[in-house]
Amino acid sequence: GAVVSQHPSWVICKSGTSVKIECRSLDFQATTMFWYRQFPKQSLMLMATSNEGSKATYEQGVEKDKFLINHASLTLSTLTVTSAHPEDSSFYICSARAPGMGTRIYEQYFGPGTRLTVT
Amino acid sequence: DAKTTQPNSMESNEEEPVHLPCNHSTISGTDYIHWYRQLPSQGPEYVIHGLTSNVNNRMASLAIAEDRKSSTLILHRATLRDAAVYYCILNPSLLNFGNEKLTFGTGTRLTIIP
Repeated sequence: GAVVSQHPSWVICKSGTSVKIECRSLDFQATTMFWYRQFPKQSLMLMATSNEGSKATYEQGVEKDKFLINHASLTLSTLTVTSAHPEDSSFYICSARAPGMGTRIYEQYFGPGTRLTVT
Repeated sequence: DAKTTQPNSMESNEEEPVHLPCNHSTISGTDYIHWYRQLPSQGPEYVIHGLTSNVNNRMASLAIAEDRKSSTLILHRATLRDAAVYYCILNPSLLNFGNEKLTFGTGTRLTIIP
């Protein structure tokens, strides 16, 4: 299957600083990328959908000024957590979508996740 | 969005088959049934998908009820590495266009007993 990478895999930052997380599709072009957040023992919650070259669409309750998403190319999307606070500590997971080969559905591939800890 | 219902947790002995159920009584005619799993501290991993017919791949089998209101993921011989949270998700076809997105429920936490 296709590969999606994330960098960094984990990061610790101080409260009030900003953190950038990169998501790359390594062997395919992703027209659409998704960002999820997952708190311990909970399911994945979709934060936003980003399409290359356009503004991201945020889910209800997600602050777009706090979670900046840039989908600058067909292989790279970034999530910047601005002025991070301890409650932003979470597991952030990106995924990339590409048309399925010979099928009517798209396939979605997930990155390994980035664990953010804000102290 | 059509919703799915799964048991919160299940246990199985190693090297035995595991049947993970999923109910999706409000499924529409164009919804594909997808299964993903998430190993500890990792992103979700695609397992299998199907529309109407049963499906097999190297990881698992998917048995879909005739009325499509339920499905069962079958791991034929569970290993310790299969311990994960398994998510059953309904996924519309590409032909619906728009920004279809995968919505994760709570999933089933599968524990494998050595």
